Amino acid sequence: EAGVVQSPRYKIIEKKQPVAFWCNPISGHNTLYWYRQNLGQGPELLIRYENEEAVDDSQLPKDRFSAERLKGVDSTLKIQPAELGDSAVYLCASSLDLFSVGVYEQYFGPGTRLTVT
Amino acid sequence: AQSVTQLGSHVSVSEGALVLLRCNYSSSVPPYLFWYVQYPNQGLQLLLKYTTGATLVKGINGFEAEFKKSETSFHLTKPSAHMSDAAEYFCAVSLSGGYNKLIFGAGTRLAVHP
Repeated sequence: EAGVVQSPRYKIIEKKQPVAFWCNPISGHNTLYWYRQNLGQGPELLIRYENEEAVDDSQLPKDRFSAERLKGVDSTLKIQPAELGDSAVYLCASSLDLFSVGVYEQYFGPGTRLTVT
Repeated sequence: AQSVTQLGSHVSVSEGALVLLRCNYSSSVPPYLFWYVQYPNQGLQLLLKYTTGATLVKGINGFEAEFKKSETSFHLTKPSAHMSDAAEYFCAVSLSGGYNKLIFGAGTRLAVHP
């Protein structure tokens, strides 16, 4: 079974440029997460989707970040414009949640390492 | 609000020695607790989790952790370190009764030397 796929794996851009990350979750997983992992820190949740609905985007900086999950499968996270402080690893994870509450294992992709110069 | 503190950002052990990675949590309700491992250039992989029941939890690769409510701790141990255990380890907490929102600690990088 294929794991969570993310692309690109690495991205270097200049500040003020736009950037987009793509995630393909494990087949059949209804819940998808985007995390940001700053250097030397643990991942922090940016947004969580249940199918195509964003059910928790409280940590997403909405002035420059946007995300979508069309048809409840693949997802794209966009930053426009990027700032120096956005340099981080962006992780995507997915899980098969039988109910809206409960503990279900999250499977993580390898991440996209973004460097903003 | 929940939080996780991992004591020691770097831990170094000899091959064959005991591995002990410390994690303390703060939660206003009974927590669910997790340990994840991250190898270089890879995503996080679940090692083990505690939800309810037995407080000593066994995971993959010979790791185990014990939930101690009185000490608000969930330390990760392995009796004998292997070179392949070198990685970064993250402790995480989520709220029981809520959805699976993970709050991660800052991580501990484990080095294993011959």
